[in-house]
Amino acid sequence: SYVLTQPPSVSVAPGKTARITCGGNNIGSKSVHWYQQKPGQAPVLVIYYDSDRPSGIPERFSGSNSGNTATLTISRVEDGDEADYYCQVWDSSSDHYVFGTGTKVTVL
Amino acid sequence: QVQLVESGGGVVQPGRSLRLSCAASGFIFSTYAMHWVRQAPGKGLEWVALISFDGSKKYYADSVKGRFTISRDSSQNTLYLQMNSLRAEDTAVYYCARDSEQWLERGAFDIWGQGTMVTVSS
Repeated sequence: SYVLTQPPSVSVAPGKTARITCGGNNIGSKSVHWYQQKPGQAPVLVIYYDSDRPSGIPERFSGSNSGNTATLTISRVEDGDEADYYCQVWDSSSDHYVFGTGTKVTVL
Repeated sequence: QVQLVESGGGVVQPGRSLRLSCAASGFIFSTYAMHWVRQAPGKGLEWVALISFDGSKKYYADSVKGRFTISRDSSQNTLYLQMNSLRAEDTAVYYCARDSEQWLERGAFDIWGQGTMVTVSS
């Protein structure tokens, strides 16, 4: 089955840039979606189809996808960005959705 | 406004059944594929099942295939998850979510409910 690997944690100072990676075999050939989840809340879509932003999501959130790694970038990090982040793909070989292992972003 | 509200969670004994519901409002329910996703306590997200906009296609995670059934009633704007032969490892918050693609499936999950907790324990 297809596996998506994320770093367990990323720490970043306010105003700096956080980069969260999502590794998968030839993930660049798939569409990657990213979700933000704060404690006790439902996930929120922040990036879809690799780099598109839903309405209401700040421009500080951006995404890229190439080769074996997709990346979610959060620029000018704010305290409110502290959350768990998950990547997701549709694996057509198994007809399954797959979520990444999740990354906890801590704002220092 | 666009909204999904889950219900039906609770405490159930291993081997028993439970049916979850997800009431949709604020959009044309019959034109969107829908999903169930779960999250065990302290763990990550796990996709559970997908149903196409017209109910003709259904897909399941290996961990629930043969035990869970996803269905929809577009006349009632409601999504369901019938869970049979429940196990302790099915304990989780269950979320319903809307597919971002109208008339299609396999998109992102753009709208989520607040979740309903299912606890499987004797």
